[in-house]
Amino acid sequence: NSKVIQTPRYLVKGQGQKAKMRCIPEKGHPVVFWYQQNKNNEFKFLINFQNQEVLQQIDMTEKRFSAECPSNSPCSLEIQSSEAGDSALYLCASSRTDYAEQFFGPGTRLTVL
Amino acid sequence: QQKVQQSPESLIVPEGGMASLNCTSSDRNVDYFWWYRQHSGKSPKMLMSIFSNGEKEEGRFTVHLNKASLHTSLHIRDSQPSDSALYLCAASAGSFNKLTFGAGTRLAVCP
Repeated sequence: NSKVIQTPRYLVKGQGQKAKMRCIPEKGHPVVFWYQQNKNNEFKFLINFQNQEVLQQIDMTEKRFSAECPSNSPCSLEIQSSEAGDSALYLCASSRTDYAEQFFGPGTRLTVL
Repeated sequence: QQKVQQSPESLIVPEGGMASLNCTSSDRNVDYFWWYRQHSGKSPKMLMSIFSNGEKEEGRFTVHLNKASLHTSLHIRDSQPSDSALYLCAASAGSFNKLTFGAGTRLAVCP
């Protein structure tokens, strides 16, 4: 069973509000991924980290999304100014090494009213 | 842009039957395929992964891969109602790489 912890499980925000969610990867997993799963079950990769360093990220042209994985603190994903289209399940996953299975947390379900 | 296509979109099989799910990638750089299962309201959990040509079996689950055509398939024998879920195929290319998911096949196993 996955031991990736995500908080909060549910988040409700008004349009324009900031939304922040956190993830604690499994112990011993240096690689962390963030994905967005929309209501049609479509997945979108957002960003991944190895320890504190960004490996890959989508072209966040609007710069509304930011993420970090500081040392000795939970990883976080923040949306600066939420829009209705951001309503989705945000999934954090971690893996032990390259080509290893990604273990998913329970997700944070964001609803933007 | 890498695309992962899954078929069928949905599948109904009787309890005890065989379910066969398909997945193809359009990215020649893909070197690993993953099959995840997601029950309603839950997060995805990996079932099997494959990177070399051929077949791999674990219990009731068998996965095939044809690297030349970048096609993988998942077969579930003796399907159970608890197998009813969204089955997601994902592909990755390179080390520490993101997963690109298909749209999924929704499987319903009827008693």
